[in-house]
Amino acid sequence: DAMVIQNPRYQVTQFGKPVTLSCSQTLNHNVMYWYQQKSSQAPKLLFHYYDKDFNNEADTPDNFQSRRPNTSFCFLDIRSPGLGDAAMYLCATSRGLAGRDTQYFGPGTRLTVL
Amino acid sequence: DQQVKQNSPSLSVQEGRISILNCDYTNSMFDYFLWYKKYPAEGPTFLISISSIKDKNEDGRFTVFLNKSAKHLSLHIVPSQPGDSAVYFCAAKALSGTYKYIFGTGTRLKVLA
Repeated sequence: DAMVIQNPRYQVTQFGKPVTLSCSQTLNHNVMYWYQQKSSQAPKLLFHYYDKDFNNEADTPDNFQSRRPNTSFCFLDIRSPGLGDAAMYLCATSRGLAGRDTQYFGPGTRLTVL
Repeated sequence: DQQVKQNSPSLSVQEGRISILNCDYTNSMFDYFLWYKKYPAEGPTFLISISSIKDKNEDGRFTVFLNKSAKHLSLHIVPSQPGDSAVYFCAAKALSGTYKYIFGTGTRLKVLA
């Protein structure tokens, strides 16, 4: 089955210790997104890649970076996690950006910052 | 500023009855809307969509209604089943000029057997 996979599902890190979250897809979609979702809040878009073109949302902190080495994989790097970065991180993909393209989500990685 | 609002954090419905989940939006440029369903420990999965050229879209037990003048949409599930128990998110997009979906905060539906 074509899908969006996120690893790990649960990640614990220490305050200030860099952490990387991973997303892979077998849908061969052009676009990959990273969302942050805190408890009882809406998913918040951090950035997306259209192929290799990176687009950062204006309010995404510099502490968050992303890499997309190939079509299938995308990484979220948090350089110096703070307590406020504890959240669920959702990866999503879509065929394109315009129009009615549906976003397909992975199961998420729950990040805990100690 | 929350452009997409789901004002009911939770809803309980008896099995077999109708579930109605509501969503309000403030941006009049939004013209395409989605509902996603999310089970615990899984990502959101697409459920149903509606474009602003329609006021209703139906898929099996799921129907979405759109009232553009009120900037309101609702998802009806008839009949509700215990397997429908999940968190439901609505999302909105302006088809021209943006790539972004704006999500609501979700409504947790519990269908009681």
